Amino acid sequence: DTAVSQTPKYLVTQMGNDKSIKCEQNLGHDTMYWYKQDSKKFLKIMFSYNNKELIINETVPNRFSPKSPDKAHLNLHINSLELGDSAVYFCASLGGGIDTGELFFGEGSRLTVL
Amino acid sequence: GENVEQHPSTLSVQEGDSAVIKCTYSDSASNYFPWYKQELGKRPQLIIDIRSNVGEKKDQRIAVTLNKTAKHFSLHITETQPEDSAVYFCGEGYQKVTFGTGTKLQVIP
Repeated sequence: DTAVSQTPKYLVTQMGNDKSIKCEQNLGHDTMYWYKQDSKKFLKIMFSYNNKELIINETVPNRFSPKSPDKAHLNLHINSLELGDSAVYFCASLGGGIDTGELFFGEGSRLTVL
Repeated sequence: GENVEQHPSTLSVQEGDSAVIKCTYSDSASNYFPWYKQELGKRPQLIIDIRSNVGEKKDQRIAVTLNKTAKHFSLHITETQPEDSAVYFCGEGYQKVTFGTGTKLQVIP
């Protein structure tokens, strides 16, 4: 019954590896996001997809590649992991009406790069 | 452009007192301002929001005020309780929400 679910919840890996985080929402929303929350708790938007189309692409290294196979799923693949990639990555979907919106966040995926 | 400043970064209050968190934004076209609460180890969750055609909105012990002229908005929590302890984020924007830097609120019993 979880509205926005992410896997894995925890990820510990070595520098240079490639890893993926998956996200699924069962709310029927059209727009999904990836946010990064660093150790200082800053929440920064990375990407957004609307119905499988990329609509927001912030200044994120090319090593990060999102993929949306359908509007209920948004995955994040990260190549050549670096120490600075360690963070909690939150997936979210956008609900609400015109000009107002509630972001429904997943539980987060804590990535630790050693 | 989007730039949201949030103050203070930390706030300690005695249980029962009020807490106020302030944010300023730069884009005069902004028209939607949400507030999210993030408890330790949990996901951010929307607690209240306000649109630019409204100056104030209340929901039980929480209220948000908006001054469009000055481009700032504030979260007010009255009669604080220990369960209000969390990190609070202000936001600006609808499809692309830019968050403030967060305020860690500690309510001391």
